[in-house]
Amino acid sequence: GESVGLHLPTLSVQEGDNSIINCAYSNSASDYFIWYKQESGKGPQFIIDIRSNMDKRQGQRVTVLLNKTVKHLSLQIAATQPGDSAVYFCAERYYNQGGKLIFGQGTELSVKP
Amino acid sequence: EPEVTQTPSHQVTQMGQEVILRCVPISNHLYFYWYRQILGQKVEFLVSFYNNEISEKSEIFDDQFSVERPDGSNFTLKIRSTKLEDSAMYFCASRGTGDGYTFGSGTRLTVV
Repeated sequence: GESVGLHLPTLSVQEGDNSIINCAYSNSASDYFIWYKQESGKGPQFIIDIRSNMDKRQGQRVTVLLNKTVKHLSLQIAATQPGDSAVYFCAERYYNQGGKLIFGQGTELSVKP
Repeated sequence: EPEVTQTPSHQVTQMGQEVILRCVPISNHLYFYWYRQILGQKVEFLVSFYNNEISEKSEIFDDQFSVERPDGSNFTLKIRSTKLEDSAMYFCASRGTGDGYTFGSGTRLTVV
């Protein structure tokens, strides 16, 4: 069936530490993956994406790693700040004309000052 | 930066009533989506729309749901006869020819 799951529902880190949020996806035909940040009462906000022909992509303070062998995706946030506190979702795109995204359950990241 | 705009931000309706949720996607985008998020749960795909027709819909998107792009700028989701379990945040998203999906801030639908 369709499923994208997360290993940890909550993650609490100290300000300045690095955070790692993990995600398992199920569809080996998915060609594109996105990490979203969602703050309370708001819509998903794009953080970083990666295509299936890559295994690593870096942004500003964020890195996404893709391991297609085990169908695993991770988001690394360097020097985590209080403003990073939010729920983080991974999403996979099924390779079809419509391009629907399937979201994971979400991990709540809490950053302690 | 271009935005996807959704109105209203919050809608309260009585069970059995019809509701229309409105979205203005980014103007040059071609693909349009509705998702919903029940409180505390993940974001769920409802429907995708391209070239003035539905390209895919989920099991959630039953006969009570419909979408329309009436005038080339608005993209609407109609729920014909709302049920209590339709209470959720509804997000509209749009995408151009590339990979980037842009989500709106959502409409919180409360069915009482």
